[in-house]
Amino acid sequence: GENVEQHPSTLSVQEGDSAVIKCTYSDSASNYFPWYKQELGKRPQLIIDIRSNVGEKKDQRIAVTLNKTAKHFSLHITETQPEDSAVYFCAAHEGGGYQKVTFGTGTKLQVIP
Amino acid sequence: NAGVTQTPKFQVLKTGQSMTLQCAQDMNHNSMYWYRQDPGMGLRLIYYSASEGTTDKGEVPNGYNVSRLNKREFSLRLESAAPSQTSVYFCASSGAGIYSNQPQHFGDGTRLSIL
Repeated sequence: GENVEQHPSTLSVQEGDSAVIKCTYSDSASNYFPWYKQELGKRPQLIIDIRSNVGEKKDQRIAVTLNKTAKHFSLHITETQPEDSAVYFCAAHEGGGYQKVTFGTGTKLQVIP
Repeated sequence: NAGVTQTPKFQVLKTGQSMTLQCAQDMNHNSMYWYRQDPGMGLRLIYYSASEGTTDKGEVPNGYNVSRLNKREFSLRLESAAPSQTSVYFCASSGAGIYSNQPQHFGDGTRLSIL
């Protein structure tokens, strides 16, 4: 089955700096890679996603890059703000239409004002 | 539009008791999922249902059963609760569009403690 590794497990940055979170996956058949943000005590919510036919996607201060050859994808947050503090999860969806999903173990991001 | 609704939000059980966690979605999604979330372990898939009438085991199915009652509802049952099942349980659903894979929509979670 799929295995997703996520690094780092914790990340502290100064407000205004950039943050990068990296994930690797094992199954070359995986073709959809969403990122979720989970605030303390809340549900995970989608913040950005990328499909296997795209190398990069950007939405304001958030971007995701995908390297299919190396089987890794990364989340980039620029100009970080205190409200970006949360746990971020990457995920990989296997192909085939039945949507089996494997999550990374999460990165706790702390933005220091 | 409620999205994904889970009940109950909190529950305390004694070892050996049984209970069913309920989940319903109103987005006409085909696929539904049950996860457990433990500190430092991320989200681990317990069971999923790719479509109405089908269910499959995920990463950690032991000690659980599921029922896809209809397209809207997907329940998770603990037959004989154990302290190791103390966790936060999330239900999620996802649709299918032009591409087969779509993002998941999560419920608010059920915080379950087993004494």
